[in-house]
Amino acid sequence: GDSVTQMEGPVTLSEEACLTINCTYTATGYPSLFWYVQYPGEGLQLLLKATKADDKGSNKGFEATYRKETTSFHLEKGSVQVSDSAVYFCALYYSGGYQKVTFGTGTKLQVIP
Amino acid sequence: DAGVIQSPRHEVTEMGQEVTLRCKPISGHNSLFWYRQTMMRGLELLIYFNNNVPIDDSGMPEDRFSAKMPNASFSTLKIQPSEPRDSAVYFCASSFGGGNQPQHFGDGTRLSIL
Repeated sequence: GDSVTQMEGPVTLSEEACLTINCTYTATGYPSLFWYVQYPGEGLQLLLKATKADDKGSNKGFEATYRKETTSFHLEKGSVQVSDSAVYFCALYYSGGYQKVTFGTGTKLQVIP
Repeated sequence: DAGVIQSPRHEVTEMGQEVTLRCKPISGHNSLFWYRQTMMRGLELLIYFNNNVPIDDSGMPEDRFSAKMPNASFSTLKIQPSEPRDSAVYFCASSFGGGNQPQHFGDGTRLSIL
């Protein structure tokens, strides 16, 4: 079945450091890929998405490129801020699944001043 | 615009009691999802509805859990009887249209069973 594997956390970075959170997936066909973010005490919210191979999703300085050849969708940001501290979830959707989304286990990011 | 609204935000009750969690999805959304989040198990999909019809309840842990969606603007998740291991944050999410559309999450209900 469909699955998502993301790097274990927590990830601790200093402010202005570069961020990469790895995400790989297993799916039949051509899924859509998402990154969600969860701030403390809140629900998940969509950060960015990509719907086909080579698409790049971007938002709030974060980027991720849909790489079909490596089945990956790594999240990157060039300079993190303390306010980026949160849990990040990689997720995929495969058409025909009544909008059911498969989530990864989440990676906690802590940015220290 | 109002997002997904969940109530209560916090619930503390004794084991054996019935617990009812409530969710109001975003108006116009046709799919609704219930998730449970714990440190040990992460985010688990319990059940989801499409056009008010339960599509997949394979994530419901046992018969003590039940969910209903009597209309497009309301859903409940009920636990009876509750047990301490049910303690978790329960999220409701809704979405509309094709799978490329994002799920919108509520802020969750933090449930503690003593």
